[in-house]
Amino acid sequence: DSGVTQTPKHLITATGQRVTLRCSPRSGDLSVYWYQQSLDQGLQFLIQYYNGEERAKGNILERFSAQQFPDLHSELNLSSLELGDSALYFCASSVGRLGTEAFFGQGTRLTVV
Amino acid sequence: AQSVTQLGSHVSVSEGALVLLRCNYSSSVPPYLFWYVQYPNQGLQLLLKYTSAATLVKGINGFEAEFKKSETSFHLTKPSAHMSDAAEYFCAVRDNTGNQFYFGTGTSLTVIP
Repeated sequence: DSGVTQTPKHLITATGQRVTLRCSPRSGDLSVYWYQQSLDQGLQFLIQYYNGEERAKGNILERFSAQQFPDLHSELNLSSLELGDSALYFCASSVGRLGTEAFFGQGTRLTVV
Repeated sequence: AQSVTQLGSHVSVSEGALVLLRCNYSSSVPPYLFWYVQYPNQGLQLLLKYTSAATLVKGINGFEAEFKKSETSFHLTKPSAHMSDAAEYFCAVRDNTGNQFYFGTGTSLTVIP
């Protein structure tokens, strides 16, 4: 158990809908990262938050947004969903100090039908 | 920007044989390097990390990796493969701002009985 909790584990929704994925980082970790993993794209970095503020942005679509709340949990919002958004979405957390590793949650498997 | 390249998207070895998974990094400054393993339908789990303390790093499950600055490599090895080693392996580098992790495209390891 990495200490990073993601909910829900599985999500099935229709095209055009909006979903919210939730992540609770390890206790004490200030950084949260979101990744998308699909068969054809591999592990894609989406966005990073550090102590409530956006720190880095990757290949995140405009239809996607995220935030980190004062209690450090984070949510990834995916809207106007398309079939191609079906993927595993991972959250990872880190203390944010140089050289420290990221700890990954079990992921949320999103299926858009 | 920093990056890692994993040579060989698929590697097959016989049970008991040497495992060698290759990773080369691109960094203008001494990097922080990591190897993660992903079992089916699970999140990424840290195998080992290099943070400049020692060039030969030992990790979990009998894996180790050697940092070679002259070759910009951080290859993962295990002397004797076990069936339970079958998984996806990711090499990653972290930039010196403490922000992003840059992941390779992954290597799928198959162990043949």
